Amino acid sequence: SQQGEEDPQALSIQEGENATMNCSYKTSINNLQWYRQNSGRGLVHLILIRSNEREKHSGRLRVTLDTSKKSSSLLITASRAADTASYFCATDRIQGAQKLVFGQGTRLTINP
Amino acid sequence: DTGVSQNPRHKITKRGQNVTFRCDPISEHNRLYWYRQTLGQGPEFLTYFQNEAQLEKSRLLSDRFSAERPKGSFSTLEIQRTEQGDSAMYLCASSLTEGNQPQHFGDGTRLSIL
Repeated sequence: SQQGEEDPQALSIQEGENATMNCSYKTSINNLQWYRQNSGRGLVHLILIRSNEREKHSGRLRVTLDTSKKSSSLLITASRAADTASYFCATDRIQGAQKLVFGQGTRLTINP
Repeated sequence: DTGVSQNPRHKITKRGQNVTFRCDPISEHNRLYWYRQTLGQGPEFLTYFQNEAQLEKSRLLSDRFSAERPKGSFSTLEIQRTEQGDSAMYLCASSLTEGNQPQHFGDGTRLSIL
């Protein structure tokens, strides 16, 4: 079963604007990761944030984590047409292997 | 290319046939994972290996499914007596064991059951 939900399910913005996607999860976690998936392809790892971290940056990406609310957000600044893809958050449990539990994803479309 | 490699990319077969997929992980990665993804959904965990040992299997993995990683390198996923509900993208990922390591995914095998 899915761990949580991404919000919104679909997002369409103009090139150059910022895109924000949210993720909620249900159980305590060890890490939270964000992945990108282009149509018909595998998932590309974007960023990993540990449960004791609150914010992390990588290039145009900014991820926040609020463990008290069991939620995370992914911000993509200055969006580009190449950012068009589905974005998934994934969590792994405190104990056990790093098997990932994914949300349903946000479909992001950047309009030129 | 030293990423995760999956073969074949696409497989079309008739209901009731057996199929086998192969995954070659990143060479130094000792953990290997299989996931299944249906249209519009996120991937769902099926099973994982640490070296050659299969350490966890999801309840999604019915007795028609079997996965192996005989020498702790490549892995195969076999589905016997395929059913229409098996149509999905089958994704393989690998990772290191130490610390908080991301999983690196292959491009998947898309299975279509006629």
